[in-house]
Amino acid sequence: NAGVTQTPKFRVLKTGQSMTLLCAQDMNHEYMYWYRQDPGMGLRLIHYSVGEGTTAKGEVPDGYNVSRLKKQNFLLGLESAAPSQTSVYFCASRDQGEHYSGNTIYFGEGSWLTVV
Amino acid sequence: SQKIEQNSEALNIQEGKTATLTCNYTNYSPAYLQWYRQDPGRGPVFLLLIRENEKEKRKERLKVTFDTTLKQSLFHITASQPADSATYLCAPVDNAGNMLTFGGGTRLMVKP
Repeated sequence: NAGVTQTPKFRVLKTGQSMTLLCAQDMNHEYMYWYRQDPGMGLRLIHYSVGEGTTAKGEVPDGYNVSRLKKQNFLLGLESAAPSQTSVYFCASRDQGEHYSGNTIYFGEGSWLTVV
Repeated sequence: SQKIEQNSEALNIQEGKTATLTCNYTNYSPAYLQWYRQDPGRGPVFLLLIRENEKEKRKERLKVTFDTTLKQSLFHITASQPADSATYLCAPVDNAGNMLTFGGGTRLMVKP
């Protein structure tokens, strides 16, 4: 059981280039999330999805787009990469349930992106 | 605006002692609060959850308290071990939406 898998793990981009980060989960989870983590900033939510075909903006959505065409996949796109987007990106997923149930969130191993 | 504060300075303790980490939040009314562990180069891993109507929660050597009046959660590791060295993140969750916001984390270093 792989859990949450992110690809690629490392990538270097030039300013203005585009790329897509892929997140795949094999737990049949409804909810999926993309975060970025920067030193001293903690995890910040970029976009999230509550089900196939849905997406919503998080705390820092500018410069990113997402798609959830299939339930198991959540794609994060950078249309025109900027040095400020140099970061570690984490994908996460959790099962559907009432908030009070506290469904565990499962994270991927991260994708290190450098924009030069 | 909503804010989560964790001590950004590393906490250094001696093996066998109890480590206590603090999570303070403002402009929140969380339904529950989660704690995660993150090792260098890895994604966070869920440890414990405590609900607003629970004062204390225990799991093996871990103990979490939740004071909704003080707007604070404390995370304790008793009989700490060098293997407990990691960054610990807190995440208050409200009952209004699906997003999960994290504190900046506190790095714990347990010295043998």
